[in-house]
Amino acid sequence: GAGVSQSPSNKVTEKGKDVELRCDPISGHTALYWYRQSLGQGLEFLIYFQGNSAPDKSGLPSDRFSAERTGGSVSTLTIQRTQQEDSAVYLCASSLPGTGGNTIYFGEGSWLTVV
Amino acid sequence: GDSVTQMEGPVTLSEEAFLTINCTYTATGYPSLFWYVQYPGEGLQLLLKATKADDKGSNKGFEATYRKETTSFHLEKGSVQVSDSAVYFCALRTGANSKLTFGKGITLSVRP
Repeated sequence: GAGVSQSPSNKVTEKGKDVELRCDPISGHTALYWYRQSLGQGLEFLIYFQGNSAPDKSGLPSDRFSAERTGGSVSTLTIQRTQQEDSAVYLCASSLPGTGGNTIYFGEGSWLTVV
Repeated sequence: GDSVTQMEGPVTLSEEAFLTINCTYTATGYPSLFWYVQYPGEGLQLLLKATKADDKGSNKGFEATYRKETTSFHLEKGSVQVSDSAVYFCALRTGANSKLTFGKGITLSVRP
């Protein structure tokens, strides 16, 4: 597709279960980002991948959160032992390499509800 | 570290009113500046951007000028429409290998 694709679009899970969220970036985009959007919390950076460089994991809120990017393309964000406070929209984004002025394109998001 | 400060919301305006949404920033380097918009039920999309001082970004009647001396990137529109009702986020990025840092966002509601 032409844009950033995320799945699932909606996920309801029980507290304590693990969840995986998938992101398929725009073809040719070597930079990939995960953000979290919670009610009243704005947009919170989680993790950033750029090519073969070590990812910037500085935004991950706890060791229950992890992400990987296989083959420089698809990325999976994993949340282990989910808690109710993990309920949020998880946004993936991608961009071309090059300058800081390159546009970062966002997917529609995965809405996670932990019950 | 880098940060973006937006004016407190929400903002409610009548159609055809003038809009200003303030945004100021703190950055360790020379950032590129962005405004993103999130319409109801839709994903986040780029509205406009500026990559160097005194550049003006514009799109859909919205404008913002990169002011290095005041570290600001205020969003303006001369005549808002009901369809402009959305959440607006100011953001910056310093360098190619870095993340976007967002402000808290502001909700704009335009009434007919």
